[in-house]
Amino acid sequence: QKEVEQDPGPLSVPEGAIVSLNCTYSNSAFQYFMWYRQYSRKGPELLMYTYSSGNKEDGRFTAQVDKSSKYISLFIRDSQPSDSATYLCAMDADKLIFGTGTRLQVFP
Amino acid sequence: DSGVTQTPKHLITATGQRVTLRCSPRSGDLSVYWYQQSLDQGLQFLIQYYNGEERAKGNILERFSAQQFPDLHSELNLSSLELGDSALYFCASSVVQYTGELFFGEGSRLTVL
Repeated sequence: QKEVEQDPGPLSVPEGAIVSLNCTYSNSAFQYFMWYRQYSRKGPELLMYTYSSGNKEDGRFTAQVDKSSKYISLFIRDSQPSDSATYLCAMDADKLIFGTGTRLQVFP
Repeated sequence: DSGVTQTPKHLITATGQRVTLRCSPRSGDLSVYWYQQSLDQGLQFLIQYYNGEERAKGNILERFSAQQFPDLHSELNLSSLELGDSALYFCASSVVQYTGELFFGEGSRLTVL
């Protein structure tokens, strides 16, 4: 079993939709939770960073962490075609472990 | 632009050969990380250096080695290459030793024929 599980998608939604991306994990030592966004032919870039359970909001993006269920989510409101990318969850204990990424396509 | 520079961007070589990938971290960043990204395995952590010293090791094969030099740039050496080594290799850097906030380069795409 992988330490971090993420549905690879692809997920295709119309512009303006609310998108929900999720990851589950097995290692209870993970303390830091991140979402990275990777555009095609580019390196990943940090989108959201959270430390504890709960919600963190940044513009149209909300990151949610539920440590008791070992489950994290990223919500994108009012999705735009420019949000089309691969979204990778990542978790940190002594090294950063990434999920395999979910490919998101937002069509006009 | 993340400030992390990787060379070469593309590399095509044959099985059994050896290649060196180079990474220059962001100015001021002391930590360098190497990741391998393939379609079926996702982004796999290989190794981390902090200020010239190895700090953490992931799923790095014995045929692979890395080092960080005094000027903080890093090199990843891949030897006895196999078809399965074809992948994108990313370098990332961060200011401190232990953080999830990494800045990635654009990657080096290695194709082994």
